[in-house]
Amino acid sequence: KAGVTQTPRYLIKTRGQQVTLSCSPISGHRSVSWYQQTPGQGLQFLFEYFSETQRNKGNFPGRFSGRQFSNSRSEMNVSTLELGDSALYLCASTATGADSYEQYFGPGTRLTVT
Amino acid sequence: AQRVTQPEKLLSVFKGAPVELKCNYSYSGSPELFWYVQYSRQRLQLLLRHISRESIKGFTADLNKGETSFHLKKPFAQEEDSAMYYCALSGIGFQKLVFGTGTRLLVSP
Repeated sequence: KAGVTQTPRYLIKTRGQQVTLSCSPISGHRSVSWYQQTPGQGLQFLFEYFSETQRNKGNFPGRFSGRQFSNSRSEMNVSTLELGDSALYLCASTATGADSYEQYFGPGTRLTVT
Repeated sequence: AQRVTQPEKLLSVFKGAPVELKCNYSYSGSPELFWYVQYSRQRLQLLLRHISRESIKGFTADLNKGETSFHLKKPFAQEEDSAMYYCALSGIGFQKLVFGTGTRLLVSP
């Protein structure tokens, strides 16, 4: 099976712009979680989608949003970018099932805000 | 509040030496504890889960609820163990992971 893919891999944006990142989960996985990784804060949970519905949400401002499509692909959007949004954004997919606990991570999208 | 603490940013040992990567957690309930690892130029991946009680690549981790700890141990470190190790916890559902800040393990020959 192909792994989790994320596009683009690198992105440079200017303060005030918005950005959309994409994540394609492993085939058959319906849960997609997003994380932000920075040197200062480490890995922080953004949100999780399952069957096109947001099930869990972390403590991030409303500028961070996401969605999931019927094919389980997910996008996250950051509006009004700030310098502090520069980070590696990781998505992870999980199989469906009561005991499906392993998250499979993508390579990440490196966002730089100037 | 859910919190995971990994006190060491860097742990440097020689090949063949024992390794212990420390992890303490704070969680009001019964957490699920995990160790994730990231080798150089590879993706973050699951190493082990507390409930499975398996030894993966020679690593074991025991959940100590009294001390709220989940330390990762290996009796004899190998150079290929050099990587970034993250302790993580989740509640029911597994999808929301709370990560520690990570410990870089460096095993020298």
